[in-house]
Amino acid sequence: GAGVSQSPSNKVTEKGKDVELRCDPISGHTALYWYRQRLGQGLEFLIYFQGNSAPDKSGLPSDRFSAERTGESVSTLTIQRTQQEDSAVYLCASSLSFRGQETQYFGPGTRLLVL
Amino acid sequence: AQSVTQLGSHVSVSEGALVLLRCNYSSSVPPYLFWYVQYPNQGLQLLLKYTSAATLVKGINGFEAEFKKSETSFHLTKPSAHMSDAAEYFCAVSVGTGNQFYFGTGTSLTVIP
Repeated sequence: GAGVSQSPSNKVTEKGKDVELRCDPISGHTALYWYRQRLGQGLEFLIYFQGNSAPDKSGLPSDRFSAERTGESVSTLTIQRTQQEDSAVYLCASSLSFRGQETQYFGPGTRLLVL
Repeated sequence: AQSVTQLGSHVSVSEGALVLLRCNYSSSVPPYLFWYVQYPNQGLQLLLKYTSAATLVKGINGFEAEFKKSETSFHLTKPSAHMSDAAEYFCAVSVGTGNQFYFGTGTSLTVIP
């Protein structure tokens, strides 16, 4: 398809386990973002990748969170030793470039539930 | 510091009535402004954006928004609500490169038949 895809769509895990979330951006989009959306709240910026530059990790809430991106393609967000407060929808978005006026295209999200 | 405030986390309107969703921003530099919509069980999609051209911006599905610098506002309007407009609406501001992107907390729109 032509849109941003994310997998899995839903993930239930036990407290203390590690989880890996995947994002496939739109082909040709150099910028990729991860956000967290807690129930009833807005989008919380986590991390941003722009091409081959060093990612902006300023939004990651703790060192349990990390993300990687292979070139300008797939990205994975890893949460180690999950906690119940990590339960949220994790959204990925991509845009053509890093310029501020670019439209971000969002995936459907991964709904994470930590028991 | 930049921020976005959406007044009213829940808004209800009757079908056919005016839709007005409020967004105010704070920014030390000229911003780019966006409205995104999230339909139930779907991802966010762009409704419209302001990028320093015309201050009145028209988007999809009959929505429009006006950038008012003096009021630091970017309210979203639609003259006549339709049942299919029921969704979550997010205002966002960008003030530079990709990492300077901030979303409001969202407004849930309910349309009453």
